Amino acid sequence: DAGVTQSPTHLIKTRGQQVTLRCSPISGHKSVSWYQQVLGQGPQFIFQYYEKEERGRGNFPDRFSARQFPNYSSELNVNALLLGDSALYLCASSFDRNSGNTIYFGEGSWLTVV
Amino acid sequence: GIQVEQSPPDLILQEGANSTLRCNFSDSVNNLQWFHQNPWGQLINLFYIPSGTKQNGRLSATTVATERYSLLYISSSQTTDSGVYFCAVISNFGNEKLTFGTGTRLTIIP
Repeated sequence: DAGVTQSPTHLIKTRGQQVTLRCSPISGHKSVSWYQQVLGQGPQFIFQYYEKEERGRGNFPDRFSARQFPNYSSELNVNALLLGDSALYLCASSFDRNSGNTIYFGEGSWLTVV
Repeated sequence: GIQVEQSPPDLILQEGANSTLRCNFSDSVNNLQWFHQNPWGQLINLFYIPSGTKQNGRLSATTVATERYSLLYISSSQTTDSGVYFCAVISNFGNEKLTFGTGTRLTIIP
């Protein structure tokens, strides 16, 4: 069975541009979360979606938005990119609510803003 | 919010050695996972262990929820064990986000 899949794996954007990152959860998983990992630090929570509704939001500006589709896949959008948005963006999925369930991560999307 | 501390921050060992990594957390949790992040950035799930003890090959983990700590044991280390090990928890209070510790960077020397 396929794990959590993310695309693209690497991308380079210019300051001020917009980016869309995509995630397909493990088949049958209903919860998708997004995390940002800056070099040298642990991942930081951005969003959680469960059954297509936002269930949690981390301490990120409104330039960050996300959505979950009927097939449970998800997109993360970042507008007006800043140099500080350069990071590894990780998508995670779990079968049901995150609490009490194992959470699995994809390989991530490496975003470089120049 | 919940605080997660890991120790030691760095660990350098010879191949074949054993190691113990520690994770302390500041509040009650309903999810605790150990991850290994490889050099390419992928977070590999090692254990889902909010309480109790589990073993998987050379790796084992123990969480004492009442005392708010977890231990990850690696025996007979191999060079492929190198990387950063993260402990992550979901607090019983607040939303269902995973809060990660600062990680332990493990380097295994041949």
